[in-house]
Amino acid sequence: EVQLLESGGGLVQPGGSLRLSCAVSGFTFNSHAMSWVRQVAGKGLEWVSIISASSDYIYYADSVKGRFTISRDNSKNTVYLQMNSLRVEDTAVYYCAKKTYGPSGYFELWGRGTLVTVSS
Amino acid sequence: QSVLTQPPSVSGAPGQRVTISCTGSSSNIGAGYDVHWYQQLPGTAPKLLMFDNTIRSSGVPDRFSGSKSGTSASMAITGLQAEDEADYFCQSFDSSLSSVVFGGGTKLTVL
Repeated sequence: EVQLLESGGGLVQPGGSLRLSCAVSGFTFNSHAMSWVRQVAGKGLEWVSIISASSDYIYYADSVKGRFTISRDNSKNTVYLQMNSLRVEDTAVYYCAKKTYGPSGYFELWGRGTLVTVSS
Repeated sequence: QSVLTQPPSVSGAPGQRVTISCTGSSSNIGAGYDVHWYQQLPGTAPKLLMFDNTIRSSGVPDRFSGSKSGTSASMAITGLQAEDEADYFCQSFDSSLSSVVFGGGTKLTVL
């Protein structure tokens, strides 16, 4: 069974840090790009970051560039999102997703998400 | 404000046909980038519904269809069922932003 399981969300003060994890099973993790997508409650989806299968290309949305870092450990079938200098506007549910190759690619599998709340 | 524009809501009675539009520009849909659609049932994660403009994901009934023309795309649902009530999002790529972009989402209500 394919599973993407996010963890690491929680309540953090503005300026603080969190590290999200996404543990994957059920497909060949080291052959696929992985991405993070977030969703503010009741709002739309926003792409956050992507990392290629072998970590040789990494991209970020302008809204998180310089503050968030995506990484992966193919030996653990896990992708991470290190979030620093968190802002109130980063409050959202964060989903990890398996993305197909290329800019025209799509998110073919999604996790259930983990809630990040940035508040004082 | 989303790069791709969707109507905030659509509605239809059971058995009817509804369409959801996704309007972009010359730097995304109009540039030839594919459009993909996701369904998000209440309280759940998004799920891939349709990819590469017209291809239904595994298990998606043929009541769902997609099209793309110029700077817009649309998804149609025929034979509307109560279980179709959900939020629907379109997604593409924008070359000016060098970023994946989503529509703002459309809430489908089955009357």
